[in-house]
Amino acid sequence: EDKVVQSPLSLVVHEGDTVTLNCSYEVTNFRSLLWYKQEKKAPTFLFMLTSSGIEKKSGRLSSILDKKELFSILNITATQTGDSAVYLCAVVVQDTGTASKLTFGTGTRLQVTL
Amino acid sequence: EAQVTQNPRYLITVTGKKLTVTCSQNMNHEYMSWYRQDPGLGLRQIYYSMNVEVTDKGDVPEGYKVSRKEKRNFPLILESPSPNQTSLYFCASSLLGTSGRERNEQFFGPGTRLTVL
Repeated sequence: EDKVVQSPLSLVVHEGDTVTLNCSYEVTNFRSLLWYKQEKKAPTFLFMLTSSGIEKKSGRLSSILDKKELFSILNITATQTGDSAVYLCAVVVQDTGTASKLTFGTGTRLQVTL
Repeated sequence: EAQVTQNPRYLITVTGKKLTVTCSQNMNHEYMSWYRQDPGLGLRQIYYSMNVEVTDKGDVPEGYKVSRKEKRNFPLILESPSPNQTSLYFCASSLLGTSGRERNEQFFGPGTRLTVL
Protein backbone atom coordinates (compact mmCIF):
# COMPACT_ATOMS: atom_id res chain seq x y z
CA GLU A 1 0.00 0.00 0.00
CA ASP A 2 1.33 3.42 -0.95
CA LYS A 3 2.01 5.74 1.97
CA VAL A 4 2.70 9.47 2.18
CA VAL A 5 3.54 10.91 5.60
CA GLN A 6 3.83 14.59 6.34
CA SER A 7 5.38 16.19 9.37
CA PRO A 8 4.84 18.05 11.52
CA LEU A 9 1.06 17.73 11.66
CA SER A 10 0.74 21.29 12.80
CA LEU A 11 2.96 24.22 13.72
CA VAL A 12 2.65 27.81 14.81
CA VAL A 13 5.38 30.33 14.00
CA HIS A 14 5.88 34.07 14.20
CA GLU A 15 5.80 36.21 11.14
CA GLY A 16 9.28 36.40 9.64
CA ASP A 17 10.33 32.92 10.73
CA THR A 18 11.50 30.27 8.27
CA VAL A 19 9.71 26.92 8.26
CA THR A 20 10.50 23.54 6.75
CA LEU A 21 7.73 21.07 6.03
CA ASN A 22 8.50 17.43 5.42
CA CYS A 23 6.98 14.79 3.22
CA SER A 24 8.22 11.19 3.14
CA TYR A 25 6.81 8.44 1.00
CA GLU A 26 6.80 4.72 0.44
CA VAL A 27 5.30 3.93 -2.94
CA THR A 28 5.83 1.67 -5.90
CA ASN A 29 6.36 3.12 -9.36
CA PHE A 30 7.00 6.72 -8.32
CA ARG A 31 6.36 9.33 -11.01
CA SER A 32 6.32 12.71 -9.34
CA LEU A 33 5.64 14.57 -6.11
CA LEU A 34 3.30 17.54 -5.85
CA TRP A 35 2.92 20.24 -3.21
CA TYR A 36 -0.35 22.11 -2.69
CA LYS A 37 -1.54 24.90 -0.42
CA GLN A 38 -5.08 24.67 0.92
CA GLU A 39 -6.68 27.60 2.66
CA LYS A 40 -10.41 27.49 3.17
CA LYS A 41 -11.21 26.25 -0.30
CA ALA A 42 -9.74 23.92 -2.90
CA PRO A 43 -6.02 23.10 -2.93
CA THR A 44 -3.88 25.30 -5.15
CA PHE A 45 -0.76 24.03 -6.84
CA LEU A 46 2.69 25.01 -5.64
CA PHE A 47 5.29 22.66 -7.13
CA MET A 48 5.77 19.47 -9.08
CA LEU A 49 9.03 17.59 -8.52
CA THR A 50 10.25 14.69 -10.59
CA SER A 51 14.05 14.79 -10.33
CA SER A 52 16.25 14.51 -7.27
CA GLY A 53 18.31 17.44 -6.13
CA ILE A 54 16.77 20.11 -8.34
CA GLU A 55 15.27 22.90 -6.28
CA LYS A 56 12.04 24.47 -7.43
CA LYS A 57 11.55 28.04 -6.29
CA SER A 58 8.68 30.48 -6.32
CA GLY A 59 9.18 33.67 -4.35
CA ARG A 60 9.69 32.77 -0.70
CA LEU A 61 8.77 29.14 -1.27
CA SER A 62 11.13 26.43 -2.42
CA SER A 63 11.08 22.68 -2.57
CA ILE A 64 13.44 19.83 -3.26
CA LEU A 65 13.11 16.10 -3.75
CA ASP A 66 15.40 13.30 -2.61
CA LYS A 67 14.46 10.14 -4.50
CA LYS A 68 17.11 8.07 -2.79
CA GLU A 69 15.89 8.85 0.74
CA LEU A 70 12.26 9.12 -0.44
CA PHE A 71 11.36 12.54 0.89
CA SER A 72 10.73 16.10 -0.07
CA ILE A 73 10.85 19.35 1.87
CA LEU A 74 8.98 22.57 1.39
CA ASN A 75 10.69 25.69 2.74
CA ILE A 76 9.00 28.98 3.39
CA THR A 77 11.25 31.90 4.30
CA ALA A 78 10.19 35.19 5.92
CA THR A 79 6.74 33.78 6.64
CA GLN A 80 3.69 36.03 6.47
CA THR A 81 0.21 35.63 7.94
CA GLY A 82 -1.02 34.91 4.42
CA ASP A 83 1.06 31.73 4.45
CA SER A 84 -1.28 30.26 7.09
CA ALA A 85 -2.83 27.22 5.45
CA VAL A 86 -2.69 23.45 5.24
CA TYR A 87 0.15 22.28 3.01
CA LEU A 88 -0.49 19.03 1.19
CA CYS A 89 2.01 16.67 -0.36
CA ALA A 90 0.90 14.15 -3.00
CA VAL A 91 2.80 11.42 -4.79
CA VAL A 92 1.86 10.32 -8.30
CA VAL A 93 2.45 6.65 -8.99
CA GLN A 94 2.02 4.55 -12.09
CA ASP A 95 -0.99 2.31 -11.69
CA THR A 96 -1.96 -0.24 -14.36
CA GLY A 97 -0.58 0.42 -17.84
CA THR A 98 -0.05 4.15 -18.18
CA ALA A 99 -2.64 5.05 -15.57
CA SER A 100 -1.52 7.41 -12.81
CA LYS A 101 -2.84 7.42 -9.27
CA LEU A 102 -2.33 10.06 -6.59
CA THR A 103 -1.84 9.49 -2.88
CA PHE A 104 -2.00 12.49 -0.57
CA GLY A 105 -0.51 12.98 2.86
CA THR A 106 -2.76 14.26 5.62
CA GLY A 107 -1.19 17.69 5.45
CA THR A 108 0.70 20.09 7.69
CA ARG A 109 -1.32 22.89 9.23
CA LEU A 110 0.78 26.07 9.40
CA GLN A 111 -0.31 29.07 11.40
CA VAL A 112 1.70 32.28 11.18
CA THR A 113 1.07 34.77 13.97
CA LEU A 114 2.00 38.44 14.28
CA GLU B 1 -11.62 31.54 -17.58
CA ALA B 2 -9.96 28.15 -17.17
CA GLN B 3 -11.70 26.31 -14.40
CA VAL B 4 -13.15 23.16 -12.92
CA THR B 5 -16.76 23.48 -11.80
CA GLN B 6 -18.72 21.24 -9.49
CA ASN B 7 -22.40 21.11 -8.72
CA PRO B 8 -23.95 21.25 -6.26
CA ARG B 9 -21.63 23.00 -3.82
CA TYR B 10 -23.61 21.85 -0.80
CA LEU B 11 -25.98 18.92 -0.53
CA ILE B 12 -27.86 17.37 2.36
CA THR B 13 -29.61 14.13 1.55
CA VAL B 14 -30.93 10.99 3.21
CA THR B 15 -29.59 7.47 3.22
CA GLY B 16 -30.33 5.50 0.07
CA LYS B 17 -31.40 8.34 -2.19
CA LYS B 18 -29.30 8.25 -5.35
CA LEU B 19 -27.38 11.40 -6.16
CA THR B 20 -24.95 12.70 -8.74
CA VAL B 21 -22.31 15.37 -8.30
CA THR B 22 -21.29 16.87 -11.60
CA CYS B 23 -17.80 17.98 -12.55
CA SER B 24 -16.87 19.85 -15.68
CA GLN B 25 -13.60 21.36 -16.95
CA ASN B 26 -13.02 23.72 -19.86
CA MET B 27 -9.27 23.16 -20.28
CA ASN B 28 -9.41 20.11 -22.58
CA HIS B 29 -7.66 18.06 -19.91
CA GLU B 30 -7.37 14.31 -20.41
CA TYR B 31 -6.98 13.39 -16.75
CA MET B 32 -9.84 13.87 -14.28
CA SER B 33 -10.18 12.64 -10.75
CA TRP B 34 -12.46 12.63 -7.69
CA TYR B 35 -11.26 12.94 -4.10
CA ARG B 36 -12.89 13.00 -0.73
CA GLN B 37 -11.40 14.94 2.14
CA ASP B 38 -12.04 13.96 5.74
CA PRO B 39 -10.50 15.35 8.95
CA GLY B 40 -7.37 13.46 9.89
CA LEU B 41 -7.42 11.41 6.69
CA GLY B 42 -6.49 14.04 4.15
CA LEU B 43 -7.45 13.78 0.50
CA ARG B 44 -8.16 10.28 -0.77
CA GLN B 45 -8.63 9.44 -4.41
CA ILE B 46 -11.95 7.78 -5.24
CA TYR B 47 -11.79 7.28 -9.01
CA TYR B 48 -9.79 8.75 -11.84
CA SER B 49 -10.01 8.82 -15.60
CA MET B 50 -7.15 8.97 -18.08
CA ASN B 51 -9.43 9.83 -20.99
CA VAL B 52 -12.92 9.33 -22.41
CA GLU B 53 -14.34 5.91 -21.55
CA VAL B 54 -11.27 5.09 -19.43
CA THR B 55 -11.80 5.03 -15.66
CA ASP B 56 -9.87 3.39 -12.82
CA LYS B 57 -10.40 2.90 -9.11
CA GLY B 58 -8.49 5.03 -6.66
CA ASP B 59 -7.96 4.17 -3.01
CA VAL B 60 -11.56 4.43 -1.79
CA PRO B 61 -13.93 3.52 -4.67
CA GLU B 62 -16.51 1.54 -2.66
CA GLY B 63 -19.98 3.05 -2.84
CA TYR B 64 -19.17 5.29 -5.80
CA LYS B 65 -19.49 5.13 -9.56
CA VAL B 66 -18.16 7.40 -12.27
CA SER B 67 -18.49 7.77 -16.00
CA ARG B 68 -16.50 9.62 -18.65
CA LYS B 69 -18.61 9.85 -21.77
CA GLU B 70 -17.23 13.24 -22.74
CA LYS B 71 -13.80 14.70 -22.17
CA ARG B 72 -15.02 17.70 -20.21
CA ASN B 73 -17.40 15.92 -17.78
CA PHE B 74 -16.73 13.42 -15.01
CA PRO B 75 -19.78 12.92 -12.79
CA LEU B 76 -19.60 11.13 -9.44
CA ILE B 77 -22.57 8.91 -8.69
CA LEU B 78 -23.64 7.62 -5.30
CA GLU B 79 -26.25 4.94 -5.99
CA SER B 80 -27.22 4.45 -2.36
CA PRO B 81 -25.54 7.05 -0.16
CA SER B 82 -24.75 6.21 3.43
CA PRO B 83 -23.75 8.44 6.37
CA ASN B 84 -20.10 7.38 6.08
CA GLN B 85 -20.03 9.12 2.71
CA THR B 86 -20.57 12.47 4.42
CA SER B 87 -17.49 14.36 3.32
CA LEU B 88 -16.02 17.19 1.29
CA TYR B 89 -15.58 16.12 -2.33
CA PHE B 90 -13.18 17.60 -4.84
CA CYS B 91 -12.95 17.06 -8.56
CA ALA B 92 -9.64 17.80 -10.29
CA SER B 93 -8.23 17.72 -13.81
CA SER B 94 -4.86 17.94 -15.49
CA LEU B 95 -3.10 17.47 -18.81
CA LEU B 96 -1.34 14.25 -19.69
CA GLY B 97 1.91 14.06 -21.58
CA THR B 98 2.40 11.56 -24.38
CA SER B 99 4.10 9.16 -21.98
CA GLY B 100 1.03 9.13 -19.75
CA ARG B 101 2.66 11.24 -17.06
CA GLU B 102 0.89 14.20 -15.59
CA ARG B 103 1.94 17.46 -17.11
CA ASN B 104 1.40 20.44 -14.94
CA GLU B 105 -0.57 20.48 -11.79
CA GLN B 106 -4.02 19.20 -11.02
CA PHE B 107 -6.61 21.98 -11.08
CA PHE B 108 -9.17 21.51 -8.34
CA GLY B 109 -12.83 22.40 -8.38
CA PRO B 110 -14.34 24.41 -5.50
CA GLY B 111 -15.55 21.35 -3.60
CA THR B 112 -18.93 19.82 -2.77
CA ARG B 113 -19.86 19.40 0.85
CA LEU B 114 -22.14 16.38 1.14
CA THR B 115 -24.07 15.39 4.25
CA VAL B 116 -25.93 12.07 4.29
CA LEU B 117 -28.43 11.74 7.12
